[in-house]
Order: sequence, then C-alpha cells, then structure tokens
Amino acid sequence: DAGVIQSPRHEVTEMGQEVTLRCKPISGHDYLFWYRQTMMRGLELLIYFNNNVPIDDSGMPEDRFSAKMPNASFSTLKIQPSEPRDSAVYFCASSSGVEQFFGPGTRLTVL
Amino acid sequence: GIQVEQSPPDLILQEGANSTLRCNFSDSVNNLQWFHQNPWGQLINLFYIPSGTKQNGRLSATTVATERYSLLYISSSQTTDSGVYFCAAYGSSNTGKLIFGQGTTLQVKP
Repeated sequence: DAGVIQSPRHEVTEMGQEVTLRCKPISGHDYLFWYRQTMMRGLELLIYFNNNVPIDDSGMPEDRFSAKMPNASFSTLKIQPSEPRDSAVYFCASSSGVEQFFGPGTRLTVL
Repeated sequence: GIQVEQSPPDLILQEGANSTLRCNFSDSVNNLQWFHQNPWGQLINLFYIPSGTKQNGRLSATTVATERYSLLYISSSQTTDSGVYFCAAYGSSNTGKLIFGQGTTLQVKP
C-alpha cells in the first residue's frame, strides 16, 4: 500500500488567499484525521471523520477552516481566508479504528 | 479525558549508548502507539502496543496497562535515531481520538 498521501507537500501563499490541502487515506481505513503541528502548540487534532462523516470538529480553530470527505478515498482541508498564524505543518492520518498512520504532511507558509 | 505524559523531555546521548523513554497515562487505554518524528518531520510508526512487549531490531517497547505506563528502549543508539519520540493513546471510551504526549527530543551525537 502507498500509505497516506497528501498534496501539496509545500504551499506558500499570501494572506487572504484560499488554501486547499488534500489527503488520500490508506485503502480500507474508515477513520481519517486532520492534525496541525506548530512549535508553540505541538500536535493538535483539528477534525476527524468516520465513514466519511465528521465526528468531532472541536479542534477546528475558527470558521475560516473547513474540512470535507466526499468519499472514502479523498478528503480536503480548506482555509479561507488564510492568515500568517495558520503557518504550520498539516498532517492527515488514517486508521481502521486501531493503529493510526500518518501522511508526510503539508508545510504551509502564509506570508 | 485521558492525559499522556512523557519523560524525559530532552535527552542527549553518545552514539552507541542505550536509553529508556517513559510514557505515563492517567486512565485505562485501549491503544498505545509510539511514533518517531525524524528531523525531516515525518511521523513514523514504531509500535502499536496496548499491552505486553514487542521488539523491532534495536528498539523494543513494553506497556504495563494495569500500572498505566509504557517504556520505549533504544539500544546501541545511532545518529539516525535523533528526533522526537511521541507516545499516544486512546482512552477507554475509544472515541477514535489519539491523545499525544508532548514528546521526548532525542539527540544522538557521533
């Protein structure tokens, strides 16, 4: 299996622009997680899905963030409008309810 | 909710030395994982170990669920072992959310 796939790997954008991060989970996994990692706050869970349904979005920082999972093999995390404080590494992870596997992350820089 | 604490926060070793990293959790757990975040930022699965002992090469892990701790052993450390080691657990309610410790930053010097 190819593991969890994320794109893009790096994104540099200007404040106010829309940013879309993409994730393909491991085939057969029915849980998908979005995390954010910064030096100040460490690794934070933003939202997770089970069978394509959002279960807990309490970690989403504000309304500028939204996440969707239209099918079992694809999810997006969107930030609109982006701000410099959104700069971080965003990880996607998936699991079958037990062991969780992480993607390589997207390093986002908002200027 | 469950809390996960790791110690020590930082560790510096000379190449070839052995080390033990500890993870304490505040409640019963259904899942316990160890990850290594390498200097390039990748989070690599080391062990899924809700109980018992597992070994993989120079690394081994033991979880004593009844006493609410897990240990990660690194033997004959190499410079490539450098990075941050995280443990993470699901609580007994198993909401699907992994709760991460703050990590142990390991530096192995040549």
